[in-house]
Amino acid sequence: NAGVTQTPKFQVLKTGQSMTLQCAQDMNHEYMSWYRQDPGMGLRLIHYSVGAGITDQGEVPNGYNVSRSTTEDFPLRLLSAAPSQTSVYFCASRPQGARATGELFFGEGSRLTVL
Amino acid sequence: GEDVEQSLFLSVREGDSSVINCTYTDSSSTYLYWYKQEPGAGLQLLTYIFSNMDMKQDQRLTVLLNKKDKHLSLRIADTQTGDSAIYFCAVGEGGATNKLIFGTGTLLAVQP
Repeated sequence: NAGVTQTPKFQVLKTGQSMTLQCAQDMNHEYMSWYRQDPGMGLRLIHYSVGAGITDQGEVPNGYNVSRSTTEDFPLRLLSAAPSQTSVYFCASRPQGARATGELFFGEGSRLTVL
Repeated sequence: GEDVEQSLFLSVREGDSSVINCTYTDSSSTYLYWYKQEPGAGLQLLTYIFSNMDMKQDQRLTVLLNKKDKHLSLRIADTQTGDSAIYFCAVGEGGATNKLIFGTGTLLAVQP
């Protein structure tokens, strides 16, 4: 059972470039989310989705786009990368509704550096 | 929005108890969580407590919740070197779990 899989694990971009961080889960979880982790700031929620076709903004959505065309996948797009987006990005999922205790299942993270 | 605060660093000796503290601002939080992050890895749920509880014990872990002061703590008894990690508290904003707000994280260093 793979759980939550993120790719790539490492990426270096130049300012202004675009890229997509991929996230896939094989647990049939309705809820998926993206967080960024920065030193001294903990994890901050970027975007989340409660099911296919439904997305919503978190605390820090600016500069990021998401879509949810399938239950399994929740890609995060950086349209024009900026140095302030240098961070470690985590994808997390959980069951929605009655099955949910709120426990999030995290991927291993994607480290992004923007030069 | 919700604000969740933790001290950044705690150092203890192996065998001692560790207490990691967390304060939050949203009193409507239904669930409050403790997550653990080991180096180079994602976060894993350690334990959680419902807002109608004052205390929850799970083996070496004890969670205390003071709703009046909006204070949550995690006590680790008989701390081991394998407990060295970053510990995050998290609360659901507005009482929901769709927006889980994390604290800044506390780095626990266990000295042999």
